[in-house]
Amino acid sequence: QQQVKQSPQSLIVQKGGISIINCAYENTAFDYFPWYQQFPGKGPALLIAIRPDVSEKKEGRFTISFNKSAKQFSLHIMDSQPGDSATYFCAASSSARQLTFGSGTQLTVLP
Amino acid sequence: DGGITQSPKYLFRKEGQNVTLSCEQNLNHDAMYWYRQDPGQGLRLIYYSQIVNDFQKGDIAEGYSVSREKKESFPLTVTSAQKNPTAFYLCASSLSGTGGYGYTFGSGTRLTVV
Repeated sequence: QQQVKQSPQSLIVQKGGISIINCAYENTAFDYFPWYQQFPGKGPALLIAIRPDVSEKKEGRFTISFNKSAKQFSLHIMDSQPGDSATYFCAASSSARQLTFGSGTQLTVLP
Repeated sequence: DGGITQSPKYLFRKEGQNVTLSCEQNLNHDAMYWYRQDPGQGLRLIYYSQIVNDFQKGDIAEGYSVSREKKESFPLTVTSAQKNPTAFYLCASSLSGTGGYGYTFGSGTRLTVV
């Protein structure tokens, strides 16, 4: 049972462009929504996270937008750089429970 | 520096063999997790442990076994019953009772059947 659906599976963006990755969830008990960045051959690393009491969180070029009523959240990467090329995972969890991950998006930023 | 160490980085298994993947953490985390990563399928939970000497099956536990004899260690055995073991295996840890907050991942072990 896939509780977090992520799209697109792959994304190609020109340098300086905006990368947008979307996720949708089903479990209304989820109360923590992180995004992870993974480079080839490495483990995922936490990029940015949000809780449902806010609709947006920004850290540098990375922004999470959260729509509680639609049960959707998205990652926006502004001024995308070739160094941002990686696989991005959204995830969700409820209190004291483990993370459930989306299927991942492979982002390629062209120079 | 605190972190999670997975070893080996690469592992090759012959048909019918059991192999054990190591995961050690010095973060003083109570909870530890094993995930399997396949292309296009994200991270799927194999087993998790919230406390020493206790662990629970995740979504894809068949063909795998774990132990949690020490807080710092959570080894994963891929048994011969796992018919398609070739994958990238990730270990993670977190403070217990915090949900997904504070997950830290290791660098992974790539297992290949030869």
